[in-house]
Amino acid sequence: DAMVIQNPRYQVTQFGKPVTLSCSQTLNHNVMYWYQQKSSQAPKLLFHYYDKDFNNEADTPDNFQSRRPNTSFCFLDIRSPGLGDAAMYLCATSRVIGGGTYNEQFFGPGTRLTVL
Amino acid sequence: EDQVTQSPEALRLQEGESSSLNCSYTVSGLRGLFWYRQDPGKGPEFLFTLYSAGEEKEKERLKATLTKKESFLHITAPKPEDSATYLCAVLGLNTGNQFYFGTGTSLTVIP
Repeated sequence: DAMVIQNPRYQVTQFGKPVTLSCSQTLNHNVMYWYQQKSSQAPKLLFHYYDKDFNNEADTPDNFQSRRPNTSFCFLDIRSPGLGDAAMYLCATSRVIGGGTYNEQFFGPGTRLTVL
Repeated sequence: EDQVTQSPEALRLQEGESSSLNCSYTVSGLRGLFWYRQDPGKGPEFLFTLYSAGEEKEKERLKATLTKKESFLHITAPKPEDSATYLCAVLGLNTGNQFYFGTGTSLTVIP
């Protein structure tokens, strides 16, 4: 089945120790998103790629970086995690159908990040 | 400013007690309104897409409707397995590729 896969599902890191989260998709969608979601809050968009074009949200901390080496994979790098970065990180994909119309976003299961 | 507001924040229903969740939006030129279900510790699961006022979509006990200012997710005769957080997101002409999410409605259905 076509899907969005995130690894690992759970990640524990130490304060200040870099961490990389990965996302892969078999949907061949041209747009990939990274969201941060904290308890009882809406997903907060960090950045997204439209094909190879990177779009950073204005309030995304510099501590967060992303790479998309090809259509299928996208990575989230947190260079120096702080306690406030503990959250669920969601990867999503969508496809531009045409004329600016998008299909829905497909989400991965998320990676739960704990910072000690 | 583009905005999405969901109400109520939390809803407790008895099994079989029908109700509606609301998603109010202000966006310039709606390109799509999306409903998702999210279970604890999981990613959101797509339910419906609505593109224009008057449109309705239905799936099992859920029915989504859309007007020019808001969308409703009607739940008919809910069961305990319908308990989840329901998220609404919109895509507008000025939002680029960005989907704006509401904070969700946490639904609990009591047997």
